[in-house]
Amino acid sequence: DVKVTQSSRYLVKRTGEKVFLECVQDMDHENMFWYRQDPGLGLRLIYFSYDVKMKEKGDIPEGYSVSREKKERFSLILESASTNQTSMYLCASSSLGGGDYNEQFFGPGTRLTVL
Amino acid sequence: SQQGEEDPQALSIQEGENATMNCSYKTSINNLQWYRQNSGRGLVHLILIRSNEREKHSGRLRVTLDTSKKSSSLLITASRAADTASYFCATAGSSNTGKLIFGQGTTLQVKP
Repeated sequence: DVKVTQSSRYLVKRTGEKVFLECVQDMDHENMFWYRQDPGLGLRLIYFSYDVKMKEKGDIPEGYSVSREKKERFSLILESASTNQTSMYLCASSSLGGGDYNEQFFGPGTRLTVL
Repeated sequence: SQQGEEDPQALSIQEGENATMNCSYKTSINNLQWYRQNSGRGLVHLILIRSNEREKHSGRLRVTLDTSKKSSSLLITASRAADTASYFCATAGSSNTGKLIFGQGTTLQVKP
């Protein structure tokens, strides 16, 4: 059974803390994604990685960075958490783009609260 | 940028009825996909329709695509209480980089 896992389901952090969200996939996918989901705004892409050590900014990269040192792992980093980063964070992966092969597989999500 | 706009934002029906959700998009696409999300969970892929297809079926799901109108619809027939979830359309651009642009979703409630 294919799987995308995220390190935490729920996380509470304080303003100014450095926050790491980890995502691991076991499908040998090239592409990995970080989204945030907020009511009324749908899913917004934060960062995208199409290969190890490669990354591309999404629609809302400000305040975030990412790391992909191994193919199966994609980390989202909040350098200095702020209250407006309170959200649901979703990680996804897919095989290299093309035809029917860019279905994305999602992790269960991390609900982050920044106090 | 949010490309897909979904209509309606919320839908409430009785078990056994059909549910129809619509999605509109702005730019040319390679394919359009529909996903489902149960409350507080990740998204699950339901069905993909390519830009050269007009209709696709999968079980109780029927998807149509009209590229001239840049719109798609998802029909769930004979709905069940277990179909209660949010449904999102997502488009893959014509360059097909692997990125998807998601709509804001339709929340479906199926009453037993």
